[in-house]
Amino acid sequence: EVQLQQSGAELGKPGTSVKLSCKVSGYNIRNTYMHWVNQRPGKGLEWIGRIDPANGNTIYAEKFKSKATLTADTSSNTAYMQLSQLKSDDTAIYFCALNYPGTGVMDAWGQGASVTVSS
Amino acid sequence: DIQMTQSPASLSASLGETVTIECRASEDIYSNLAWYQQKPGNSPQLLIYDANSLADGVPSRFSGSGSGTQYSLKINSLQSEDVASYFCQQYNNYPFTFGSGTKLEIK
Repeated sequence: EVQLQQSGAELGKPGTSVKLSCKVSGYNIRNTYMHWVNQRPGKGLEWIGRIDPANGNTIYAEKFKSKATLTADTSSNTAYMQLSQLKSDDTAIYFCALNYPGTGVMDAWGQGASVTVSS
Repeated sequence: DIQMTQSPASLSASLGETVTIECRASEDIYSNLAWYQQKPGNSPQLLIYDANSLADGVPSRFSGSGSGTQYSLKINSLQSEDVASYFCQQYNNYPFTFGSGTKLEIK
């Protein structure tokens, strides 16, 4: 069974950065795409971007191109997302999700990581 | 970007009823559509992919249909455990986009 275990809650000050992790067990991330999605308090889901861990290729939603940086470490089967220049509206739950080859669906999800931006 | 318009925003139905949630894409997405269920405090879980294929382990009372720009999710014989928010998502083009969600409650 594939499982995605995300790092814990983060509290960041405005202007700083945080780095979230997503460790995958039960599946080799070299054979997947890893997506990141956010959910602001009481709101819907917003796609941030995805990485192909096999080669590091990334695609971002336009509004996150200067906000999020996606990386992956195939040796530890872990995906990462760094959020930079934090602002109050970056406060959200951030989910990682795994996409099996051949589709664009997010087949398995992490439990989510809360990021709170506050001075 | 492809806009996904989902309706209704909220829905209240009785146990055993059938409910339908709609999703309209701003352009043809060629059935590259998924539905997710998110129970309160949990992460989303895949229900339907390719517009009408049931994900592993999903009860058969859930079904998806549609083509082109119009899609729907139907839940037959509503159960208490179906209380959740439901989201559609297109994966025909990047950036992937989600509908705004439907919150389903039991009357």
